[in-house]
Amino acid sequence: GAVVSQHPSRVICKSGTSVKIECRSLDFQATTMFWYRQFPKQSLMLMATSNEGSKATYEQGVEKDKFLINHASLTLSTLTVTSAHPEDSSFYICSAGLAGASTDTQYFGPGTRLTVL
Amino acid sequence: DAKTTQPPSMDCAEGRAANLPCNHSTISGNEYVYWYRQIHSQGPQYIIHGLKNNETNEMASLIITEDRKSSTLILPHATLRDTAVYYCIVGSNRDDKIIFGKGTRLHILP
Repeated sequence: GAVVSQHPSRVICKSGTSVKIECRSLDFQATTMFWYRQFPKQSLMLMATSNEGSKATYEQGVEKDKFLINHASLTLSTLTVTSAHPEDSSFYICSAGLAGASTDTQYFGPGTRLTVL
Repeated sequence: DAKTTQPPSMDCAEGRAANLPCNHSTISGNEYVYWYRQIHSQGPQYIIHGLKNNETNEMASLIITEDRKSSTLILPHATLRDTAVYYCIVGSNRDDKIIFGKGTRLHILP
């Protein structure tokens, strides 16, 4: 089936540094990818919609200058958490949509756990 | 806000069928019902989706009421590995943004 990968799977960084997370669709092309954040024991919260070749669309309350999204190709979107702080520690998940003969749905990556010290 | 409501938790005995309900009374005519599940510390896994007909695949069955205001996900023979949070979502296509509700936490009891 369709596979979406994320790299890294886990990252620990110091407060004030920037962290880049990659999301790749491995066997299909995706013009649209989505980024979510999940805090412990909570549901996934949509952060932004990443569009290939154009600016991302951010959900209300998400700082676009802090969470930089780049969708440079049909198989890769990146999320950069700039000047990370401990409150940015979370599980970050991406998804990409696949259209096919028997499916028209989103597939999710395995997630990236960010810990900011 | 999420367009669906689900019970917060359910228990099911191992080997029995797990029936997970979902209400989506405001669903539009072109919106599908999607089900995903999330096992602890993993990304959500697609299970099944449907428009108005009942659907079945290797993982589960989806029963949608005739008025499309509710649906039930059926795991025919639940195993311990089915322990997860199950999310019922409505959307019109793969590029629709998904607003997750709280889902149903399914516990499979040995």
